[in-house]
Amino acid sequence: EVVMTQFPATLSVSPGERATLSCRASQSIASNLAWYQQRPGQAPRLLIYGASTRATGVPARFSGSGSGTDFTLTISGLQAEDSAIYYCQQYNYWLRYTFGQGTKLEIK
Amino acid sequence: QVQLVQSGAEAKKPGSSVKVSCKASGGTFSNNKVHWLRQAPGQGLEWMGRIIPILGIDHYAPKFEGRVIITADKSTGTAYMELSSLRSDDSAVYFCSTTTVCTSTVCYFDNWGQGTLVTVTS
Repeated sequence: EVVMTQFPATLSVSPGERATLSCRASQSIASNLAWYQQRPGQAPRLLIYGASTRATGVPARFSGSGSGTDFTLTISGLQAEDSAIYYCQQYNYWLRYTFGQGTKLEIK
Repeated sequence: QVQLVQSGAEAKKPGSSVKVSCKASGGTFSNNKVHWLRQAPGQGLEWMGRIIPILGIDHYAPKFEGRVIITADKSTGTAYMELSSLRSDDSAVYFCSTTTVCTSTVCYFDNWGQGTLVTVTS
């Protein structure tokens, strides 16, 4: 099973600044990675897929990069509404979807 | 985008079963696959299995094989997830999701139900 490790576990950033979230796969997953945002009490929301493609309706200040084993989600111009837990998810083998444990983003 | 509406919260005893539903607004999943995932309190997400409603073909994560059954009723556009032999560590929010956003090789969970809380306690 591909293990996804996210870091940091918690990130506290001021409004207007930039947040950088990391995700590492235990083996190469090419670009088969997605990022999700989950606010308290809500279902996850797809932000980025294919490592770098924004989903429909996602603001341009969210960007994804990386391939192989190391991936990054960057959120620029942070807003209060960006406070959430962010999960990475991989798919690299027949019906083996795995998620990271999440990064909690706090807006100061 | 089709809205997925799940059934309400459930409280169950250890050893019993729970069946959660997921209905597509408009009454059809079209050609989409319906997946079930769960999230234990304060934990990450875990994929359980999926069904292709138009074909009735189901697949499960090895961890849940033999304990979960996913079905779909094409006539009503409703998918079901039944988990048996419940234990306390099955307490979680259960989500259905469809994958309509795809690259050339992989589809992603872009549409989600609101989640159903299942609590297992004696």
